[in-house]
Amino acid sequence: DGGITQSPKYLFRKEGQNVTLSCEQNLNHDAMYWYRQDPGQGLRLIYYSQIVNDFQKGDIAEGYSVSREKKESFPLTVTSAQKNPTAFYLCASSIRRRPNTEAFFGQGTRLTVV
Amino acid sequence: AQKVTQAQTEISVVEKEDVTLDCVYETRDTTYYLFWYKQPPSGELVFLIRRNSFDEQNEISGRYSWNFQKSTSSFNFTITASQVVDSAVYFCALSGGTGGFKTIFGAGTRLFVKA
Repeated sequence: DGGITQSPKYLFRKEGQNVTLSCEQNLNHDAMYWYRQDPGQGLRLIYYSQIVNDFQKGDIAEGYSVSREKKESFPLTVTSAQKNPTAFYLCASSIRRRPNTEAFFGQGTRLTVV
Repeated sequence: AQKVTQAQTEISVVEKEDVTLDCVYETRDTTYYLFWYKQPPSGELVFLIRRNSFDEQNEISGRYSWNFQKSTSSFNFTITASQVVDSAVYFCALSGGTGGFKTIFGAGTRLFVKA
């Protein structure tokens, strides 16, 4: 089945640790995105990538990093610099980076700092 | 700046009731796109509909219908004869214009449909 796979589904991090969230898509989409979802705040864009080896900061990129070495993969690292990392993280992709294209989403990773 | 407001945080209805989810948007652009997504308990957002700013025709898809009114900057979503499976969080979103491809999401409306 075509789609977006995020792993793990649940992730616990100790304070001061970096963690990496995985996102893989087999839809052959050019554009990929990372969003953060907090209760009552909708989705906020962290990073996005239009093509391999290119990515841009979104609205809340501080404390996060990404890479796009392969078209199918767009991992997100939550670094120790992110002061409030507990949230639900969603990865998405779209055929191309155009405003009129809908996004396809993974099932998310829930990150908790312990 | 672009903005999407979903004033209803939570709505609770009994099965078979009709329910309307409100969405009000702000943009100074003439060309833009509006979306609705559904987020079931499994977590992933599922695309429901896209509308461009030049197409004000209302749309019906089964029990779902959408009312787009530029005069009031609203893009409301109605579920007719609601079912328990409609229970989810619904997001309205806006992209295009000065925002480019970036999609601005509303805060979402959580819908509970009770049997």
